[in-house]
Amino acid sequence: ETGVTQTPRHLVMGMTNKKSLKCEQHLGHNAMYWYKQSAKKPLELMFVYSLEERVENNSVPSRFSPECPNSSHLFLHLHTLQPEDSALYLCASSPEEGSTGELFFGEGSRLTVL
Amino acid sequence: GQNIDQPTEMTATEGAIVQINCTYQTSGFNGLFWYQQHAGEAPTFLSYNVLDGLEEKGRFSSFLSRSKGYSYLLLKELQMKDSASYLCAVQDSNYQLIWGAGTKLIIKP
Repeated sequence: ETGVTQTPRHLVMGMTNKKSLKCEQHLGHNAMYWYKQSAKKPLELMFVYSLEERVENNSVPSRFSPECPNSSHLFLHLHTLQPEDSALYLCASSPEEGSTGELFFGEGSRLTVL
Repeated sequence: GQNIDQPTEMTATEGAIVQINCTYQTSGFNGLFWYQQHAGEAPTFLSYNVLDGLEEKGRFSSFLSRSKGYSYLLLKELQMKDSASYLCAVQDSNYQLIWGAGTKLIIKP
């Protein structure tokens, strides 16, 4: 098993749909992250969870709703999205939040909003 | 504001050497990271510099000058599999990661 697993890998949805992205980490880490990656733009941090508590929400629209039921799982619930939300959504984990150390990324969920 | 600059795209020849530069302006500094991301895959950690100087790891080396706000990633003996995007990221005084937009490296035979 890879360290961080994301499903689905690809998702196409209409603006009125509701869908969820799932992330699972098998590394025993305490911190998990959602990033948005758009072409030729820097990674945008969306949400940070530490020990299942949300510690950061970077002014993300309410149409994105995170959920962290335990330290191994992270969800991103999507509803009434806009075409500009089409991007690669990356999940990452790290041993602790707010410390030095590398991030471990999943392969991402490629989202297309029609 | 905080800013990371790196070239959008570079091209190099198989077997050659390439240097990817990264300049930064951040609120404080707690280290600089380089990640490699192949198309359609997860970014993977390459290197971490927190002190000035050169860190060597096989064919890859990373250099840091904190006084100049500058780093580079040096790739030697280029292989076709090195074709990827290379992401520079700086950890600021709050340990927040500030990311560059990435450099797409194209290796030609």
